[in-house]
Amino acid sequence: DIQMTQSPSSLSASVGDRVTITCRASQSISTYLHWYKQEVGKAPKLLIETTSNLQFWVPSRFSGSGSGTEFTLTINNLQPEDFATYYCQQSYTTPLTFGQGTKLEIK
Amino acid sequence: QVQLVESGGGVVQPGGSLRLSCAASGFTFSNFGMHWVRQAPGKGPEWVAFLRYDGDNKYYGDPVKGRFTISRDNSKNTLYLQMNSLRVEDTAVYYCARAPGRGSSTSYFDPWGQGTLVTVSS
Repeated sequence: DIQMTQSPSSLSASVGDRVTITCRASQSISTYLHWYKQEVGKAPKLLIETTSNLQFWVPSRFSGSGSGTEFTLTINNLQPEDFATYYCQQSYTTPLTFGQGTKLEIK
Repeated sequence: QVQLVESGGGVVQPGGSLRLSCAASGFTFSNFGMHWVRQAPGKGPEWVAFLRYDGDNKYYGDPVKGRFTISRDNSKNTLYLQMNSLRVEDTAVYYCARAPGRGSSTSYFDPWGQGTLVTVSS
């Protein structure tokens, strides 16, 4: 199975900050890497598909990059609605696997 | 709008069975592959199973292989998950989620339903 490792596991930041979340795969997954945002008590919601393709509802302050085994999610100018838990997921092969999550909290 | 609504969760004893349903609306259900994904309390999501648009080609995660069965009724726009021989470690919120295409199990999940809680406890 492909292991997905996110760092950091938690992150404290302020409104207006720029943050970066890293996701590493245990083997190359090309660009088959997706990001989800999960708010408390809600289902995860697709944020970015295939490394860098933002969903229509996602503000341009979000961006994704990477290939192979290392990927990043960057959020510029943090807004209050961005504080949530973020997960990466690989779709290179089954079993489809997720990272353990990064909880983004307000400082 | 695209909507997925799960039902059928509840409390069951270890070794018991439960069948989850996922009612789809707002899109042509028979044109899309579908997944089940679960999330244990305080943990990240875990992929459970995938079923192709036509009901053929099923894929399962190792923890549920041989115990869970995914199926669908395209005439009712409904996805199912039959769960047998349930274990304490199966306790989780179970979500159905749509694949972007018809047949590939290797995909992202979009959208997700609101989830249904399954608790396995004696």
